[in-house]
Amino acid sequence: AQRVTQPEKLLSVFKGAPVELKCNYSYSGSPELFWYVQYSRQRLQLLLRHISRESIKGFTADLNKGETSFHLKKPFAQEEDSAMYYCALSENSNYQLIWGAGTKLIIKP
Amino acid sequence: EAGVVQSPRYKIIEKKQPVAFWCNPISGHNTLYWYLQNLGQGPELLIRYENEEAVDDSQLPKDRFSAERLKGVDSTLKIQPAELGDSAVYLCASSPSGDLNTGELFFGEGSRLTVL
Repeated sequence: AQRVTQPEKLLSVFKGAPVELKCNYSYSGSPELFWYVQYSRQRLQLLLRHISRESIKGFTADLNKGETSFHLKKPFAQEEDSAMYYCALSENSNYQLIWGAGTKLIIKP
Repeated sequence: EAGVVQSPRYKIIEKKQPVAFWCNPISGHNTLYWYLQNLGQGPELLIRYENEEAVDDSQLPKDRFSAERLKGVDSTLKIQPAELGDSAVYLCASSPSGDLNTGELFFGEGSRLTVL
């Protein structure tokens, strides 16, 4: 069955330190992957999608099909990056998103 | 642009009572989703609409949950009767189309339900 795993429920790093939020998936087809973010008291919103190969707010994510991973990275964390981060996989045939359980990122000053 | 609007934001009811949630999607968005989010988990799809048609309701517990999207715009999600395990956040989202590879989901702020 298709699955998205975010192994860390909580990740805490100091401001200026590198950040890596892990996401692993299981999917038999060719996946489309996304990172969504929810800042405190705000709604869930798209951060980036792998198909765009873009960098948003300094974050990047590379799809590694060999390791079935889509880790989110930022070289220098900022306090405003503190939020909940969700990795999601699109099932092309069902137009459905499969979501990970989320990782709470805390950036310490 | 107002974004996806949901109401109520919070609802506390006793078990066996009915409850309804309302969603107004972004204007022009044909696809509307209702998700359930339990504490510490990611969203789980309940139902997806393309215009007024429910194209995926396989995850909707039809014995107590119902939804409608009359005229293909606003949508309501109803639970009757509510059970303790229904306590969760109910998220509504919309997108221009169902093709998630080219579009994105726009979420409302959610309706937090507490069943006592």
